[in-house]
Amino acid sequence: DQQVKQNSPSLSVQEGRISILNCDYTNSMFDYFLWYKKYPAEGPTFLISISSIKDKNEDGRFTVFLNKSAKHLSLHIVPSQPGDSAVYFCAASGGGGGADGLTFGKGTHLIIQP
Amino acid sequence: DTAVSQTPKYLVTQMGNDKSIKCEQNLGHDTMYWYKQDSKKFLKIMFSYNNKELIINETVPNRFSPKSPDKAHLNLHINSLELGDSAVYFCASSGSNYGYTFGSGTRLTVV
Repeated sequence: DQQVKQNSPSLSVQEGRISILNCDYTNSMFDYFLWYKKYPAEGPTFLISISSIKDKNEDGRFTVFLNKSAKHLSLHIVPSQPGDSAVYFCAASGGGGGADGLTFGKGTHLIIQP
Repeated sequence: DTAVSQTPKYLVTQMGNDKSIKCEQNLGHDTMYWYKQDSKKFLKIMFSYNNKELIINETVPNRFSPKSPDKAHLNLHINSLELGDSAVYFCASSGSNYGYTFGSGTRLTVV
C-alpha cells in the first residue's frame, strides 16, 4: 500500500522553463513533507520541506506547495537548469518526530533539456 | 568531512554468506536509520535507532540485524544472504526538525 505516490516516473522540461513535480499522499497523519534530490550512485540529498501548518515554502528557485485537503504537494523549480536533472523523491513523516523515519514515493526522474 | 559515511560502497557476495555494512555519522544526530532501495526503486525504512535503542523494526527477515555500538554508529549485519537481498542500502541520520542526512549507499549484489 503506497502511502506516498509520485505518478510521473519521468518528466522532461526545457532549460529555463518551470518544472513541476507532483506528489500525493493517503495517510492523514503525515505532518511534515520533504523533497529529496538524488544523483546516480549518490544518496538522496535534502532539498526543501514543508510543515502541514503551511501551504507554501520557498527557497531560492525551489517552492513547495501543500494542499492538505487534496493530500497533494508539488515542487516547483524555476528557472530549470541542467544541474537539476536528477531523480526527485517526495517523502513524508508523521507525528512521532524524527525517529519515525520517512515514507518515500517512487521518485520522478527530471530531465532538463538544453 | 562526510556527514554520513557508509562502507563498503559496493559489495558482491555469494548466496549463503554473512556480510556487514558499516555506517557512521559525525553530525551529533540522535537517530540513525537503514533504508533499502529495491529494484523497483522504492526507498523503504528497515530500522530506526534512537540513542542506541531500536525504535522501528519494519517487517524485514530476522537475517538482518542492526547493531549500534554508540550513537554515531549503526551497522547492518546480514546472515545467510539470498538473491532477493540484492539492493542498494542507505544509512541515514536525523536530529531535531527532521534534518535527515543520507549516506551515499551500498550496492549489495548477491550471486
